[in-house]
Amino acid sequence: GQNIDQPTEMTATEGAIVQINCTYQTSGFNGLFWYQQHAGEAPTFLSYNVLDGLEEKGRFSSFLSRSKGYSYLLLKELQMKDSASYLCAVTDKLIFGTGTRLQVFP
Amino acid sequence: NAGVTQTPKFQVLKTGQSMTLQCAQDMNHEYMSWYRQDPGMGLRLIHYSVGAGITDQGEVPNGYNVSRSTTEDFPLRLLSAAPSQTSVYFCASSRSGNQPQHFGDGTRLSIL
Repeated sequence: GQNIDQPTEMTATEGAIVQINCTYQTSGFNGLFWYQQHAGEAPTFLSYNVLDGLEEKGRFSSFLSRSKGYSYLLLKELQMKDSASYLCAVTDKLIFGTGTRLQVFP
Repeated sequence: NAGVTQTPKFQVLKTGQSMTLQCAQDMNHEYMSWYRQDPGMGLRLIHYSVGAGITDQGEVPNGYNVSRSTTEDFPLRLLSAAPSQTSVYFCASSRSGNQPQHFGDGTRLSIL
């Protein structure tokens, strides 16, 4: 079976750092995606991790530990526009977690 | 390039009606998929296709049919609409299952 867990909601302050965790148990695994979804819009791609370790892309970084079935998305220097849902998804079939709704306050 | 185009954007149906949600992509992507998104449930995979002529079931396939006669098009058919199928439907495409997916803008479907 497939099981992907994320916290439902998180809040943070503008300029701060926030870490969104994702744990997974899947029968097949090739890699893990992170997507961002603003309310009423389609998801957009943020990152893809295949190997263990940290991938950095500007203010966003993503980490993967395959042995622990664990990933996190790190958002630095938070801005108001980062208020959105963040979805982790596991391949080979692209199965999504329920998403984490992040609210950034001034 | 238009990317992934979904039509219609909004639709209201009565219970028992059938309809087809259209999805077309112009990126020559092999992999296409359909998701539904309900409040608090995230995206759930309905059906997917790894290429023309090949389709497979996802997590929640019951009540839906798909076909993939061309690389570009991947329509989703509701056979007999039920209120439980009220949802936002997203179509997505990618070069392969391990490449980032490009999503359409979604179809907001209400079944009365």
